[in-house]
Amino acid sequence: EPEVTQTPSHQVTQMGQEVILRCVPISNHLYFYWYRQILGQKVEFLVSFYNNEISEKSEIFDDQFSVERPDGSNFTLKIRSTKLEDSAMYFCASMYGTHEQFFGPGTRLTVL
Amino acid sequence: AQTVTQSQPEMSVQEAETVTLSCTYDTSESDYYLFWYKQPPSRQMILVIRQEAYKQQNATENRFSVNFQKAAKSFSLKISDSQLGDAAMYFCAYRRQGGSEKLVFGKGTKLTVNP
Repeated sequence: EPEVTQTPSHQVTQMGQEVILRCVPISNHLYFYWYRQILGQKVEFLVSFYNNEISEKSEIFDDQFSVERPDGSNFTLKIRSTKLEDSAMYFCASMYGTHEQFFGPGTRLTVL
Repeated sequence: AQTVTQSQPEMSVQEAETVTLSCTYDTSESDYYLFWYKQPPSRQMILVIRQEAYKQQNATENRFSVNFQKAAKSFSLKISDSQLGDAAMYFCAYRRQGGSEKLVFGKGTKLTVNP
């Protein structure tokens, strides 16, 4: 069964460093999302992406964040200058039609 | 803005028993989707069940069923014959109808299954 994959599973970085989180959505899906979950809290929406552009972004998704779909398969989230409060689990999700989003296993980001 | 409320931070159930997790939501939309996601300790988000708001019939997936009360904006999850593997965080989520609409999650309910 097709699935969303994410790499790396765990990323440790120093405050102020840039990180790129990678996702490979399910191949025929059209809509792509990033969510994050700070430990012990609910899952929060960051950004949605369709037709090679951002559809919606949350207040969390400030100028330090960017997304790209550089080729036909990858979908990346870049954080330019990480802060301690960026430590969280980051989930990528993709969707074909208008029903359900399929989530990847997540990348745990630790900012020291 | 849409909100999702899960009023039970934690629930416990005996193995083989039935448990119901509560969820309420607030929206002015008439067409939308509701979901229950399971998050085990691995933190993977797994879709349990989905309900389309236009459908009056409650969704069922094996041991999992929902009680969808549209007028009351209530969407509870019933787990029958609970198993040890059901132990996890359960998140209720709402999504407006539309292509790129985001999921709005509740804070979750931690379910413990006692042997």
